[in-house]
Amino acid sequence: ILNVEQSPQSLHVQEGDSTNFTCSFPSSNFYALHWYRWETAKSPEALFVMTLNGDEKKKGRISATLNTKEGYSYLYIKGSQPEDSATYLCAPYNQGGKLIFGQGTELSVKP
Amino acid sequence: EAQVTQNPRYLITVTGKKLTVTCSQNMNHEYMSWYRQDPGLGLRQIYYSMNVEVTDKGDVPEGYKVSRKEKRNFPLILESPSPNQTSLYFCASSLINGYGGSVHSPLHFGNGTRLTVT
Repeated sequence: ILNVEQSPQSLHVQEGDSTNFTCSFPSSNFYALHWYRWETAKSPEALFVMTLNGDEKKKGRISATLNTKEGYSYLYIKGSQPEDSATYLCAPYNQGGKLIFGQGTELSVKP
Repeated sequence: EAQVTQNPRYLITVTGKKLTVTCSQNMNHEYMSWYRQDPGLGLRQIYYSMNVEVTDKGDVPEGYKVSRKEKRNFPLILESPSPNQTSLYFCASSLINGYGGSVHSPLHFGNGTRLTVT
């Protein structure tokens, strides 16, 4: 089973702050990395699917980078807004055909 | 509207009483999967299916059964529920790609089923 670590576990920022968090995973047998956004009382929604080393994806104020050689991905949020409050999950895809989810980073943005 | 539909949303039952949580998707996805979410443990895969009549165990399959008789449906069956199966359950689906899984295709999640077994 892959060991997926996300840090920090939780983060509290003020509206307008930019923030970032990390997903670490074993770099061997890497196929892809998924990022999901999970709001309270809702279901997880896909943000990005990343596959190539050096890949960078962007969706509005949210962007992500991928380093497959060292086994990490960063998620950045520029100018955080209260509606960005959610848990952000990363999930690497391993050779066994499974997505393994990290425990997530819980982001709280105060107005 | 493209969606994954789970029912029921909430379920309280007693130990040993068989139950089924239904999952249906209208996106013609080959891949379907069940997860459970417990505090401090994240989403853990129970079972998954690559296509009709093809199912496989995830990381925590004990105490669960699934079936995939039709492409759109993937029910989760608890033959004899126990209190340690109290959890939040999610069904998800995606397209299959050349790697034989949802590598490049994002998962679409249902709204979740909160199960309590007393």
